[in-house]
Amino acid sequence: GENVEQHPSTLSVQEGDSAVIKCTYSDSASNYFPWYKQELGKRPQLIIDIRSNVGEKKDQRIAVTLNKTAKHFSLHITETQPEDSAVYFCAAVTGGGADGLTFGKGTHLIIQP
Amino acid sequence: DSGVTQTPKHLITATGQRVTLRCSPRSGDLSVYWYQQSLDQGLQFLIQYYNGEERAKGNILERFSAQQFPDLHSELNLSSLELGDSALYFCASSVDSQGTEAFFGQGTRLTVV
Repeated sequence: GENVEQHPSTLSVQEGDSAVIKCTYSDSASNYFPWYKQELGKRPQLIIDIRSNVGEKKDQRIAVTLNKTAKHFSLHITETQPEDSAVYFCAAVTGGGADGLTFGKGTHLIIQP
Repeated sequence: DSGVTQTPKHLITATGQRVTLRCSPRSGDLSVYWYQQSLDQGLQFLIQYYNGEERAKGNILERFSAQQFPDLHSELNLSSLELGDSALYFCASSVDSQGTEAFFGQGTRLTVV
């Protein structure tokens, strides 16, 4: 089945700086890669996603890049703000959904004032 | 209202007991996913149902079982409960079997004493 590795486990950045979280996946048949944000005690919320036929996608301060050859994808957050502090999870889905929606272990992003 | 309804929100029970967690997906969604999240842990995929049938299976213990009913709501049954089963159990739903824009419920916090 699919295996998703996520780094770093904790990331601390100064407010206003950029943050980058990286994930690798194992199954070359994976074709959908969502990112979720989970604030303490709340449900994970989808913030951005990308399909395998696209190399990059942006939504305001958030962007995701995908390198199918290397089987890795990254989340980029620019001009970080205090409300960006949360745990971020990447995920991957194998074509057809045969292995479900597999998540990485999460990155705790801390925005320092 | 997240669109995915999970009941109950909190559950406290003793070791050895059996409990049932319930999930109603968003209107129009055919897939239901169950996840376990322990303290400071990631989202462990348990099982997925699509339109009433089991679609994918993750690290689900034999003491746990699930089903999706004709009205598409799902139930997760946990039996012979152990202290280590204490966790937040999330249900998510999506329109297709590939987890596209999967939407999470608020979760059920299970405490085994």
